[in-house]
Amino acid sequence: DVKVTQSSRYLVKRTGEKVFLECVQDMDHENMFWYRQDPGLGLRLIYFSYDVKMKEKGDIPEGYSVSREKKERFSLILESASTNQTSMYLCASSLLGTGTYEQYFGPGTRLTVT
Amino acid sequence: AQTVTQSQPEMSVQEAETVTLSCTYDTSESDYYLFWYKQPPSRQMILVIRQEAYKQQNATENRFSVNFQKAAKSFSLKISDSQLGDAAMYFCAYRMMNTGFQKLVFGTGTRLLVSP
Repeated sequence: DVKVTQSSRYLVKRTGEKVFLECVQDMDHENMFWYRQDPGLGLRLIYFSYDVKMKEKGDIPEGYSVSREKKERFSLILESASTNQTSMYLCASSLLGTGTYEQYFGPGTRLTVT
Repeated sequence: AQTVTQSQPEMSVQEAETVTLSCTYDTSESDYYLFWYKQPPSRQMILVIRQEAYKQQNATENRFSVNFQKAAKSFSLKISDSQLGDAAMYFCAYRMMNTGFQKLVFGTGTRLLVSP
């Protein structure tokens, strides 16, 4: 059974804190993604990675960074959390290639920044 | 840039009835993929159905089928014989074909309510 796991389901942080969100997949997928989900806005891509140590900006990378030191793990970092980063964060993974490969999603981390 | 529009924030259906969720998209590409994803309450998002733009035949998966109108850039999802377990957020998504990066562009979602 394929699986994408995220380190926390719920997280509460203070403004200015450095926040780490961890994602692990066990499917040997090359691609990994971080999305932000907000009501009325759908899912917006923050960053993605197609290989270890490789990363590409998505549509809303400002205020975020990522790290991929191992193939199975992709971390999202909020360098200095702000209240407008309160949101649901979804991690996903997929095979690399031009086929109709689906993305497999984690359960999400609901982050509240106070 | 590609965009995906879901104009129905919320839809309701009764058990055993049929419901259609709308999706339109904008692209200048001729080859691409389209997807419908389902996000049940407090559960992980899963793929419902996928369609290759070069295929004229509409995709079907059991009770789920699509109406793909390439010229109109429309990709609606039909759910037949609705069940309580179909209640979820449904997202339409687009992906360019000529890239291995699998980047998806999502719509804003439609919440489907199913009543007994």
